[in-house]
Amino acid sequence: EPEVTQTPSHQVTQMGQEVILRCVPISNHLYFYWYRQILGQKVEFLVSFYNNEISEKSEIFDDQFSVERPDGSNFTLKIRSTKLEDSAMYFCASNGPISYNSPLHFGNGTRLTVT
Amino acid sequence: GESVGLHLPTLSVQEGDNSIINCAYSNSASDYFIWYKQESGKGPQFIIDIRSNMDKRQGQRVTVLLNKTVKHLSLQIAATQPGDSAVYFCAEGGNNNDMRFGAGTRLTVKP
Repeated sequence: EPEVTQTPSHQVTQMGQEVILRCVPISNHLYFYWYRQILGQKVEFLVSFYNNEISEKSEIFDDQFSVERPDGSNFTLKIRSTKLEDSAMYFCASNGPISYNSPLHFGNGTRLTVT
Repeated sequence: GESVGLHLPTLSVQEGDNSIINCAYSNSASDYFIWYKQESGKGPQFIIDIRSNMDKRQGQRVTVLLNKTVKHLSLQIAATQPGDSAVYFCAEGGNNNDMRFGAGTRLTVKP
């Protein structure tokens, strides 16, 4: 069964540094997402992406965050200047191709630790 | 055993019993709902979904019930097994492409 893959599995960075989290969604999916989960808490929506542009974003997704689909397979989340409170698991997901109201397929996440 | 997902985040049941996990959703415009299972160190895994034109849907050992009047969703797991131990999240979607998750309920199955 096709999978969403995320790299790296764990990223440690210093406060103020830029990080890029990478994802390869399922190949025939058209809708892409980033979610984050602070340890022990719920899964929080960050952003959805379709047709090379952001569809929706949450209040968490401020100017420090950006997303990109640089080629036909990768989907990235960049955090420009990391803060301690950005420490969390970041999950990429994809769905489609027909509708965004279909099950999201999640990767196993990148654990981001900001020191 | 039964839980209210937002007010009682843990549920402990005996192996073989039925489990009921509840979720109160917030947006009356939501028309698509999903239950996810999350095991430690993994991403959420799809269990079952339901659209707002239905009030019940059954899968293998799982049933989802939707009550739109009171904005309530439940997941029933029949004959709960140790492998069902995980955190369960409900998620709601609608016209906007921003599926939102509930707080989650941790299910523990005692042998």
